Amino acid sequence: EDQVTQSPEALRLQEGESSSLNCSYTVSGLRGLFWYRQDPGKGPEFLFTLYSAGEEKEKERLKATLTKKESFLHITAPKPEDSATYLCAVRQTGANNLFFGTGTRLTVIP
Amino acid sequence: DAGVIQSPRHEVTEMGQEVTLRCKPISGHNSLFWYRQTMMRGLELLIYFNNNVPIDDSGMPEDRFSAKMPNASFSTLKIQPSEPRDSAVYFCASMDGGPSNQPQHFGDGTRLSIL
Repeated sequence: EDQVTQSPEALRLQEGESSSLNCSYTVSGLRGLFWYRQDPGKGPEFLFTLYSAGEEKEKERLKATLTKKESFLHITAPKPEDSATYLCAVRQTGANNLFFGTGTRLTVIP
Repeated sequence: DAGVIQSPRHEVTEMGQEVTLRCKPISGHNSLFWYRQTMMRGLELLIYFNNNVPIDDSGMPEDRFSAKMPNASFSTLKIQPSEPRDSAVYFCASMDGGPSNQPQHFGDGTRLSIL
């Protein structure tokens, strides 16, 4: 059975204080690992797709990395506008649906 | 470009009433997904359609839930009769399906409260 575990559940950072969010996964054949950002009252917004171990993707202050068992979302010098819940999801080989973790709620304090 | 459009954004109704949630996917997307999000369980897939055909409905909680996709631009999720435990945020997502491994794109959800 597919499993996705995200940690920590919540993270408070001072503005400019870099950190990482973790997504550990178990899936029988990874077709893709997806990162989303969700703001209160909104739907998840797509950030990155990672396909194979060793791959990295960057967007502004965010960088996502992937190993065979986990993915990290690194946040460099965060700003208050980076405050959101970050969701990780996996897609199994041969499937179109996604299996989501429960997210990390990030708060960046000015 | 218009994203996924869901209506209504908020619904408050009494237990036992029928609830219908609506979704218009992104034009050209051939896969559509219905999710439910709660604090306790996060995002859970209820059902998904490919080319208007239901592919996997194993996440539908029970017979009180039903979903239809009569055409490529419209889908409904119906709960009848509704119960307080159905209170949650319901999301619709669409995707360009097939071998290209595209991400799903989400609407802003319907917040459902059953009293």
